[in-house]
Amino acid sequence: TQLLEQSPQFLSIQEGENLTVYCNSSSVFSSLQWYRQEPGEGPVLLVTVVTGGEVKKLKRLTFQFGDARKDSSLHITAAQPGDTGLYLCAGVTGGSYIPTFGRGTSLIVHP
Amino acid sequence: ETGVTQTPRHLVMGMTNKKSLKCEQHLGHNAMYWYKQSAKKPLELMFVYNFKEQTENNSVPSRFSPECPNSSHLFLHLHTLQPEDSALYLCASSQDPGRTNSPLHFGNGTRLTVT
Repeated sequence: TQLLEQSPQFLSIQEGENLTVYCNSSSVFSSLQWYRQEPGEGPVLLVTVVTGGEVKKLKRLTFQFGDARKDSSLHITAAQPGDTGLYLCAGVTGGSYIPTFGRGTSLIVHP
Repeated sequence: ETGVTQTPRHLVMGMTNKKSLKCEQHLGHNAMYWYKQSAKKPLELMFVYNFKEQTENNSVPSRFSPECPNSSHLFLHLHTLQPEDSALYLCASSQDPGRTNSPLHFGNGTRLTVT
């Protein structure tokens, strides 16, 4: 069973700050997904990365997939209170279609 | 109504009760999933149904019993639960389970408390 480690576990910052959260594993993934879960709701897909070294941008969010496809990062520029939530990464290996999730990074952005 | 709908949103039950969780997806997807989300733990996969056939049972205790009458509906029948079963139970669906980058679409979950 592959293990996805997410760091930091908790992050509390002021509006306008930049931040990066990480998702690491010893396993190679065919794809990696990032989700955001707001309180009282289910996770919502933000992005899927497939190619090693791939960078995808979603407004102020930048996602990167490691060259070896074992790790990923999410960078948020000028965080806003609306970015508050639990950020989950989920990796899919070549032999399965079912994502395995990390514990998540809980982000709070204070106005 | 669109997306994945779960009912009830909240459920409190005693250890001797029997209850059922319901999930319905309006996305035309072929696979449906039950996940358990507990504090400080990763999302735990419980069951997967692919074209109404159960393809995964992740060593889940028999007090949890899934049912998938068609590709749009999924149930989780609960009986004689334990307090440690208290958690958020999330239902999800995906379009094409054969594709490795077919993302999951989640419902908003049922918050279950076992007293």
